[in-house]
Amino acid sequence: EVQLVESGGGLVQSGGSLRLSCLASGFNFTNFAMHWVRQAPGKGLEYISAISSNNGGSIYYADSVRGRFTISRDNSKNALYVHMSSLRNDDTAVYYCVKGARYHYDSSGYMFDHWGQGALVTVSS
Amino acid sequence: QSVLTQPPSVSAAPGQRVTISCSGSSFNIGNNYVSWYQQLPGTAPKLLIYENNRRPSGIPDRFSGSKSGTSANLDITGLQTGDEADYYCGTWDSFLNAGLFGGGTKLTVL
Repeated sequence: EVQLVESGGGLVQSGGSLRLSCLASGFNFTNFAMHWVRQAPGKGLEYISAISSNNGGSIYYADSVRGRFTISRDNSKNALYVHMSSLRNDDTAVYYCVKGARYHYDSSGYMFDHWGQGALVTVSS
Repeated sequence: QSVLTQPPSVSAAPGQRVTISCSGSSFNIGNNYVSWYQQLPGTAPKLLIYENNRRPSGIPDRFSGSKSGTSANLDITGLQTGDEADYYCGTWDSFLNAGLFGGGTKLTVL
């Protein structure tokens, strides 16, 4: 059974930093792209970052987080991370760790077959 | 404002059929696969349809997807109260080189 468990969420002040982790199990983590999707309170889904499989040689960031967020993966630990800095009030959201269905994240790889339960990040001013 | 346009809400009676649309452009829906996600209240989204019209194992055949040109549809037949949820379409945009979600559609089963 595929499981994705996020951790690291919490309350942080505006301008601060936070790192979310996602531990994956139940599949060959090395073979799949991994993604972060967030959802602000009462709002829709926003695709924010992705990293390709294996050595993570290809990385994507949405304009809203580029330059502030850094995605990474540790295949030896089956772990996905996102380091978030210069946090703003509008970064307040539930952050989902999401498994892709391909080794790449774009085009036909833009498909999410398993989602974590989400980690709430609240940015206060 | 989302690049992919979905109706904010749809409603229908139990047992009836409903269609949720997702409208885009040649850069996204027109040239890439569409997937659909169901988000029940208070839970994480779940994959319903991928590659326009394919269902993952365990998804009932009451749920079906289609695509024509720059639009895609999610059809749900035999509506049940348990189908009340938010539904999102998603696809890649080859011009923006960005991943997209529609704004979401809230389904109410009256």
